[in-house]
Amino acid sequence: DQQVKQNSPSLSVQEGRISILNCDYTNSMFDYFLWYKKYPAEGPTFLISISSIKDKNEDGRFTVFLNKSAKHLSLHIVPSQPGDSAVYFCAASAGGSEKLVFGKGTKLTVNP
Amino acid sequence: GAVVSQHPSRVICKSGTSVKIECRSLDFQATTMFWYRQFPKKSLMLMATSNEGSKATYEQGVEKDKFLINHASLTLSTLTVTSAHPEDSSFYICSASTLGGNYGYTFGSGTRLTVV
Repeated sequence: DQQVKQNSPSLSVQEGRISILNCDYTNSMFDYFLWYKKYPAEGPTFLISISSIKDKNEDGRFTVFLNKSAKHLSLHIVPSQPGDSAVYFCAASAGGSEKLVFGKGTKLTVNP
Repeated sequence: GAVVSQHPSRVICKSGTSVKIECRSLDFQATTMFWYRQFPKKSLMLMATSNEGSKATYEQGVEKDKFLINHASLTLSTLTVTSAHPEDSSFYICSASTLGGNYGYTFGSGTRLTVV
């Protein structure tokens, strides 16, 4: 049972445009969400997170939106840059637990 | 910032042998470390949670006798894949956490294990 779903395995955007990566979850106990970026043969690196008490968190070019009623979150990258090309994982945790549940990832390609 | 060093980055071993993977927190003390594996086109799957000085907690379906985890100090956790088989070939990644909160997650660079 996939509790965190990233239904788009890949996304391709033009440099300078907005990238929108989506993530859905099924477990209503999840109250903290994180996005990680991963290059091939490397470990994930933390990008941005959001607590369930918020609906938006922004850090530079990265903004995460949370829609609790829809159990949906999205990561917006604007403007997109070629260096943003990587696999992006959505992750969630519940009740202060340190355990993370990951989605399958979305491969973003930003074309020059 | 916090750095987690994972070693080796790649290892090829013969079926039936054991392989040890190390995960070190270089500039902070990690009270908890996590071990994940990732199959191609799959999400990162948590294998076990390793707490310093106590036994690891394994996720359902993970054989604790096959995947031995030792967290002997606040800076080192090891994963030993015992009697490795080709189906154990995967990408193994550790992450380390400091006390409290999700902000403390830092991932190692991963280990590509190939069992031949």
